[in-house]
Amino acid sequence: DTVLTQSPALAVSPGERVTISCRASESVTTLMHWYQQKPGQQPTLLIYLASNLESGVPARFSGSGSGTDFTLTIDPVEADDTATYYCQQSWNELTFGSGTKLEIK
Amino acid sequence: EVQLQESGPGLVKPSQSLSLTCSVTGYSITSNYWGWIRKFPGNKMEWMGYISFSGGTSYNPSLESRISITRDTSKNQFFLQLNSVTTEDTATYYCARLKATFDYWGQGVMVTVSS
Repeated sequence: DTVLTQSPALAVSPGERVTISCRASESVTTLMHWYQQKPGQQPTLLIYLASNLESGVPARFSGSGSGTDFTLTIDPVEADDTATYYCQQSWNELTFGSGTKLEIK
Repeated sequence: EVQLQESGPGLVKPSQSLSLTCSVTGYSITSNYWGWIRKFPGNKMEWMGYISFSGGTSYNPSLESRISITRDTSKNQFFLQLNSVTTEDTATYYCARLKATFDYWGQGVMVTVSS
């Protein structure tokens, strides 16, 4: 299994820049994707293949990284961004990170 | 627009089988791949398996002995069967389209395994 490690939680104020990290236990090249899940809703795709913005997703969201270290950046953060963010790799089977819960103060 | 909707019983007894249906509208399941993912209480997400445009399947090795994914192309539906469930299979189950990644998801159905 390719294990993806995320920090469990972050708290930031509106207007700030936030980076959410995801570290893979082995290289996944750029086969990394990011999802947002708000309470009571299904996950929605934000970023695919490490850095490609999904259609309809605000340009405040961006992704970067390759190999084992990846980052999702939200700049600037808005109150509506309160959610849990998951990374997911598709290099070796399909696995998800444990999620990072983002709180907007 | 692509839409997916899960359906099935919300309560299953231990040792029985869990059976769910994913109904797809706006896109044919004879294109791309179609998967099942579940989210456990406590937020862990697990990919369970998928069925391809041609009917081929791939399963998470941890579930391979208990899982089956099939489809009915005439109804544009695909199905999940998970056998010999335990309380550890309690989760919210999602179906999704897999096109490089999971780009369209259903709303999810919560399934509790309990006697």
